Amino acid sequence: QVTLRESGPALVKPTQTLTLTCTFSGFSLSTSGMCVTWIRQPPGKALEWLARIDWDDDKYYSTSLRTRLTISKDTSKNQVVLTLTNMDPVDTGTYYCARFTTGTTAIDYWGQGTLVTVSS
Amino acid sequence: QLVLTQSPSASASLGASVKLTCTLSSGHSSYAIAWHQQQPEKGLRYLMNLNSDGSHIKGFGIPDRFSGSSSGAERYLTISSLQSEDEGDYYCQTWGTGKVVFGGGTKLTVL
Repeated sequence: QVTLRESGPALVKPTQTLTLTCTFSGFSLSTSGMCVTWIRQPPGKALEWLARIDWDDDKYYSTSLRTRLTISKDTSKNQVVLTLTNMDPVDTGTYYCARFTTGTTAIDYWGQGTLVTVSS
Repeated sequence: QLVLTQSPSASASLGASVKLTCTLSSGHSSYAIAWHQQQPEKGLRYLMNLNSDGSHIKGFGIPDRFSGSSSGAERYLTISSLQSEDEGDYYCQTWGTGKVVFGGGTKLTVL
């Protein structure tokens, strides 16, 4: 059974760095074709893709947020970490991690999401 | 540029069928997409992966009422025998040019 769970602070101040951890089970990020990706959703708005990391450590970032994002993995712990620097109130939203497989180019499992509010 | 276009809203009556559309941008009509459901105040659920030939693989536990089909650059999600719990937002998603791409979502109202 594949599960993913996001963890991190619920509240961050403007200019701070957000660090989120995705802990997953039911698959290995060392298996060819397996990837973990991050997506966010501002309140009442559509989904916005952020970043993806692959089994072979290839990384991909949203063009608009590239300079602020870093994604990394710890395969032994089944964790993927996302950092977003210089947080702003417009970064408020629910952050999701999800499994992505290159064979289908689809997200096929989602985490439950974690709400992050940016406020002083 | 790879873009997915969805109508902002759709509605249908309880027990009826509805067909949602996701349109791939020019030059990308061969791409597979995935459909995802977001019920009100809930998280996201993967529904299916849908290929250009209409073949699709559904996620675990997705009812037979949900089906997919394709025509050219259009990808469809058909929900039959609509139930109240089908109300929510539906997103299509694909991958290309180094990024995951989402459609803007369709809000489905069950009347």
